[in-house]
Amino acid sequence: DAGVIQSPRHEVTEMGQEVTLRCKPISGHDYLFWYRQTMMRGLELLIYFNNNVPIDDSGMPEDRFSAKMPNASFSTLKIQPSEPRDSAVYFCASRAGIWGVSGNTIYFGEGSWLTVV
Amino acid sequence: GESVGLHLPTLSVQEGDNSIINCAYSNSASDYFIWYKQESGKGPQFIIDIRSNMDKRQGQRVTVLLNKTVKHLSLQIAATQPGDSAVYFCAENPGGSNYKLTFGKGTLLTVNP
Repeated sequence: DAGVIQSPRHEVTEMGQEVTLRCKPISGHDYLFWYRQTMMRGLELLIYFNNNVPIDDSGMPEDRFSAKMPNASFSTLKIQPSEPRDSAVYFCASRAGIWGVSGNTIYFGEGSWLTVV
Repeated sequence: GESVGLHLPTLSVQEGDNSIINCAYSNSASDYFIWYKQESGKGPQFIIDIRSNMDKRQGQRVTVLLNKTVKHLSLQIAATQPGDSAVYFCAENPGGSNYKLTFGKGTLLTVNP
């Protein structure tokens, strides 16, 4: 199993540019999550999908952020326009199965390290 | 004003010793808890989980204890190894059909050879 795959691993972009982060969840997982990690705020949930449908986007910071999941094997998180305060590590994660059953927990990708200058 | 980042609690142990990492969770309705390990430059990695109807669960070299009375969770690592050095996070699920996880601040574990 390849695990959750994210790209790019590292990105440096200029303020005002559009940033697109990509995620391929583990095959068969029906939940997909986008988290952001910063030193200031730790790990925060931005949005999650179930069967490709956004369920809760209350963690999305503002309208500059958007996420899509066009099919079960692909999701994007887009920031437009990007700002320096968006610099963070963005993690995608996925899960399947019954909540609370060992092993059916959330599995994280290696993250996309974003720097906006 | 000056920005203040998260100041992680730290735990430093000698190789071979047992480690205990503590976590206070916030929501008395939380019914599922997970410990994650995050090594530098990597994503959080699942270690062990426990449901609220249990007070103890054991894995390979790890034990999680849950005290719902005081909303406290602990992770015990037996015979700590240098490869255990990482940041450890506890996470709680608020219960019901809510599939969110709320993460704690994390504890930095350093294992000295």
